[in-house]
Amino acid sequence: SQKIEQNSEALNIQEGKTATLTCNYTNYSPAYLQWYRQDPGRGPVFLLLIRENEKEKRKERLKVTFDTTLKQSLFHITASQPADSATYLCALDGRGSYIPTFGRGTSLIVHP
Amino acid sequence: NAGVTQTPKFRVLKTGQSMTLLCAQDMNHEYMYWYRQDPGMGLRLIHYSVGEGTTAKGEVPDGYNVSRLKKQNFLLGLESAAPSQTSVYFCASSYEAVLPYEQYFGPGTRLTVT
Repeated sequence: SQKIEQNSEALNIQEGKTATLTCNYTNYSPAYLQWYRQDPGRGPVFLLLIRENEKEKRKERLKVTFDTTLKQSLFHITASQPADSATYLCALDGRGSYIPTFGRGTSLIVHP
Repeated sequence: NAGVTQTPKFRVLKTGQSMTLLCAQDMNHEYMYWYRQDPGMGLRLIHYSVGEGTTAKGEVPDGYNVSRLKKQNFLLGLESAAPSQTSVYFCASSYEAVLPYEQYFGPGTRLTVT
């Protein structure tokens, strides 16, 4: 069956370091993958989309990679700040669908 | 622009009661969605709509009904609430299927069924 896996354990890092979050998937051939940020008590907010034919995408301090061979996306936040603390969700399509399926998310905690 | 708004923000129901959650968007989006989010389960799609007057089932539609009588509104109904429907409900909307398929989410409704 189709599965999206994100680390359920929170990632704790020190301010200024690079945070790297992982999204693995099985039994999908996604055309694109999205990353969202969710703060406690709020709805998710879209951050980035990367297409299957793109290896890397950047937006300010964010960088996303997409390896369709490894079936994995990495989400990096460079020079992390306490304000980056949130849960990050990956979402990918089921090929032919414009409606993404979401992973469970990974909590990031950046310590000052 | 208010974006996506949801009413109410919190609600407590007794088993067997009914209620309607209202979602409104002012971005002229064609597509609208209802999700539920439970601890450890992530976001799961309940129902969605690709335009006014249309609805379709998502991953977990049982026990819910929806209606999209106006383009800007998407209603989620619970006819006979059950404790298993205790959850946080999110509404989202998006433009017609155009990249980056970004979904805009509302602030959520926290529902408790006792």
